[in-house]
Amino acid sequence: DGGITQSPKYLFRKEGQNVTLSCEQNLNHDAMYWYRQDPGQGLRLIYYSQIVNDFQKGDIAEGYSVSREKKESFPLTVTSAQKNPTAFYLCASSTRVRGELFFGEGSRLTVL
Amino acid sequence: AQSVTQPDIHITVSEGASLELRCNYSYGATPYLFWYVQSPGQGLQLLLKYFSGDTLVQGIKGFEAEFKRSQSSFNLRKPSVHWSDAAEYFCAVGQINAGNMLTFGGGTRLMVKP
Repeated sequence: DGGITQSPKYLFRKEGQNVTLSCEQNLNHDAMYWYRQDPGQGLRLIYYSQIVNDFQKGDIAEGYSVSREKKESFPLTVTSAQKNPTAFYLCASSTRVRGELFFGEGSRLTVL
Repeated sequence: AQSVTQPDIHITVSEGASLELRCNYSYGATPYLFWYVQSPGQGLQLLLKYFSGDTLVQGIKGFEAEFKRSQSSFNLRKPSVHWSDAAEYFCAVGQINAGNMLTFGGGTRLMVKP
């Protein structure tokens, strides 16, 4: 079945450590996105990529980095520069035309 | 800049009762609009979407929404709520020419009383 796979589902990190969240899609979508979700704040866009080897900052990119070396993959690195990284992270993808986003199951990051 | 407001953070309804979740947006051009549902600890599932045409949109699980341009609203409705509808609901707005950038509302958490 086609879909988006995020891993790990749960991740714990010590302060000062970088962590990388994986996102893989087999929907043949051009565009991929990372959102951060905090209680009561909805979803906020971190980074997005509309094509391989290109990506753009979203509303809250500081302290995060991404890469898009393959169409299927869009990993997110949460760096030690992110001051409040504990959150639920959602990866999504879409075609460039239709507008509908398809979401993965999310990764919950907790900083100890 | 576009924005989405969901005025109700929490709503509780009795099973079998009707439901309306409110969504208001601020956007300069013609928007396209979505409603998503999220169960705890899960990703988001699309309920329905509006791009153009008929302003009353039917979705999955018996949900519908009506686009009212004059009120900048896209409220979600269901005639009879089931206990399994308890979840968090998100309204989102986007622009087709902006690379599918969606702006999400803060969400409405629905609780269903037996």
